[in-house]
Amino acid sequence: DVKVTQSSRYLVKRTGEKVFLECVQDMDHENMFWYRQDPGLGLRLIYFSYDVKMKEKGDIPEGYSVSREKKERFSLILESASTNQTSMYLCASSLSGITDTQYFGPGTRLTVL
Amino acid sequence: SQQGEEDPQALSIQEGENATMNCSYKTSINNLQWYRQNSGRGLVHLILIRSNEREKHSGRLRVTLDTSKKSSSLLITASRAADTASYFCATPPGGNNRLAFGKGNQVVVIP
Repeated sequence: DVKVTQSSRYLVKRTGEKVFLECVQDMDHENMFWYRQDPGLGLRLIYFSYDVKMKEKGDIPEGYSVSREKKERFSLILESASTNQTSMYLCASSLSGITDTQYFGPGTRLTVL
Repeated sequence: SQQGEEDPQALSIQEGENATMNCSYKTSINNLQWYRQNSGRGLVHLILIRSNEREKHSGRLRVTLDTSKKSSSLLITASRAADTASYFCATPPGGNNRLAFGKGNQVVVIP
C-alpha cells in the first residue's frame, strides 16, 4: 500500500513565523502535490512537483513556496505565516500522470494566531 | 478552479439504504475520480472511470459516467455507518495538467 505521511497532524504558529510542512511518500511516485482545504471552498492546489527540484504553481501559490530535494519528500514553506493561512493542508502523490490517482496523507491542521 | 460539482451537497440516510450522489463537470475529460474523506482525515481514492467507460463497479460502489451530459454518479449500496464521510469527485479539466476537486458531498448514515 502507498503510504504518504505528513510531519504533524496539528500545528499552531504565530503570525510572521516561518513554517515548514513536510510530506514523505514511500512508493517512488513521480508527482507530489500540496493542497489546502477550507470549508465551502473545497480543495485548492497550492503547488505540485513532477520531478526532483521541479515545481509548478497551482491555483493559489501566493504566500507559499515548496522544495523537493529528494524524490520521496516534498516540503511546503510558509515564509511568513499569516492568519489567513489557517487551514487544513493535504499532501498527495501520484505514480506517473499528474491527473492519475492521487494518494493523500492524513493532513496537517495549521492554526496561525 | 473547481470543476466538479457534486449534488446533492448533503445526504442523510438509514443504514442499509442506498446512497446516490451526482457530479457534473464543464469541460472534456479523460477520466473522472471519486474520493472519500472521513472527518478530519486525508482523502482516500475510491474509483477512477475513464472517458471511454460508462460504468464501473468496486465492491458496494457503482460509478457511471455520461460524457454527453458531462455528469457522473456514485452509488453506494447497502450503506453502513462507516460510509459516513464526505465524497468528492475530481476531474482533470481540459487542457489543464491537474485535478480539480468538487466541494464535496456530505453523507451521514444513521445506524
